[in-house]
Amino acid sequence: AQKITQTQPGMFVQEKEAVTLDCTYDTSDPSYGLFWYKQPSSGEMIFLIYQGSYDQQNATEGRYSLNFQKARKSANLVISASQLGDSAMYFCAMISLSSNTGKLIFGQGTTLQVKP
Amino acid sequence: DTGVSQDPRHKITKRGQNVTFRCDPISEHNRLYWYRQTLGQGPEFLTYFQNEAQLEKSRLLSDRFSAERPKGSFSTLEIQRTEQGDSAMYLCASSWTGVNEKLFFGSGTQLSVL
Repeated sequence: AQKITQTQPGMFVQEKEAVTLDCTYDTSDPSYGLFWYKQPSSGEMIFLIYQGSYDQQNATEGRYSLNFQKARKSANLVISASQLGDSAMYFCAMISLSSNTGKLIFGQGTTLQVKP
Repeated sequence: DTGVSQDPRHKITKRGQNVTFRCDPISEHNRLYWYRQTLGQGPEFLTYFQNEAQLEKSRLLSDRFSAERPKGSFSTLEIQRTEQGDSAMYLCASSWTGVNEKLFFGSGTQLSVL
């Protein structure tokens, strides 16, 4: 069975500083993908970044980077130069590429608050 | 730019009533997913369609829940005889089958059962 664990219910960061949101996962699947989504108070889930299990390099998308440590089964999200608009709920999610269902398994989420 | 749209955004109903939600996916996407999210939790998978075929249903989807995607385009999720425990955000997402199956989500329908 697949499982995603996010151990930080809430995080605070000062504007313009970097912050790391933790995510660990468990799977017996040899081929999988890891996602991070942002959910502002409006409710929509916004895709941020994707990392495939066989990707050699850590993924980056603008101010977002994914610190992928396969042996530790962790996929932490790093947000650089935090902005007030980054305040939201953040979800780590996993997909099994072997099963080909496209179904995402989500963690419990981390609430990030950016202080001015 | 037409993303995933869901209707209604909010629904308040009395226990025992039936409710129906609609989801319009991104037009070229062949897969459509329904998720349920309760307060402070991550979304939980309910069911998904590939074109018009419903390929998987979660055990969370009791027999009071039914989902359809009649022509492989929009989908409806119906809850019969609603219970207070059904109160949640119902999220719809769509994707195109591929190596990196990024799901695009709608803004959800917030259901409150009184």
